[in-house]
Amino acid sequence: AQSVAQPEDQVNVAEGNPLTVKCTYSVSGNPYLFWYVQYPNRGLQFLLKYITGDNLVKGSYGFEAEFNKSQTSFHLKKPSALVSDSALYFCAVRDVRYGGSQGNLIFGKGTKLSVKP
Amino acid sequence: KAGVTQTPRYLIKTRGQQVTLSCSPISGHRSVSWYQQTPGQGLQFLFEYFSETQRNKGNFPGRFSGRQFSNSRSEMNVSTLELGDSALYLCASSLVTASGGANTGELFFGEGSRLTVL
Repeated sequence: AQSVAQPEDQVNVAEGNPLTVKCTYSVSGNPYLFWYVQYPNRGLQFLLKYITGDNLVKGSYGFEAEFNKSQTSFHLKKPSALVSDSALYFCAVRDVRYGGSQGNLIFGKGTKLSVKP
Repeated sequence: KAGVTQTPRYLIKTRGQQVTLSCSPISGHRSVSWYQQTPGQGLQFLFEYFSETQRNKGNFPGRFSGRQFSNSRSEMNVSTLELGDSALYLCASSLVTASGGANTGELFFGEGSRLTVL
């Protein structure tokens, strides 16, 4: 079965320091991986995706993610964190049971990122 | 381009009542999906509609239903509300190819409808 795990409920980082939010996945076949961010009382905003190609994917707001097939990971990173990055981050994988480009997204439980000044 | 619009944003119902939530996708997006978000269960897939047809469904009881109209707008309905139905209900739209496959893969979410059941 397809699944996504975010092992950390919360990540605390000082402003200006690099941040990493971890995600591992389990899928049959090639994964379609996504990162979303959610601010309080808001919907989810798309950050970036990996479909194929370069293992390092660049996205919105200076975020990037590294796809590692051997470790089945897709960690979200940013070189220098901002206080405004504080939010809930979700990793997701597309459910390939319905075909790689169709189907719903399976989300991880989310990681709360807190960036302190 | 306007984003995904969900109405109402907030609503309060009592047990046993029913509720209808509305979603207008981004113009040109023909696929609409619904998700339930709760603190305990996280984000769970409800169903997806394309061309007025439900093509995927999550593991929810029959009290949860939906439909899509010819203009791609979608509604979801929850009947006989239970306390556990209190949640943020999120709608998302996505581009699809003429054959119905997803064009780019990512979903674009609305702000959600927060349902409280008393």
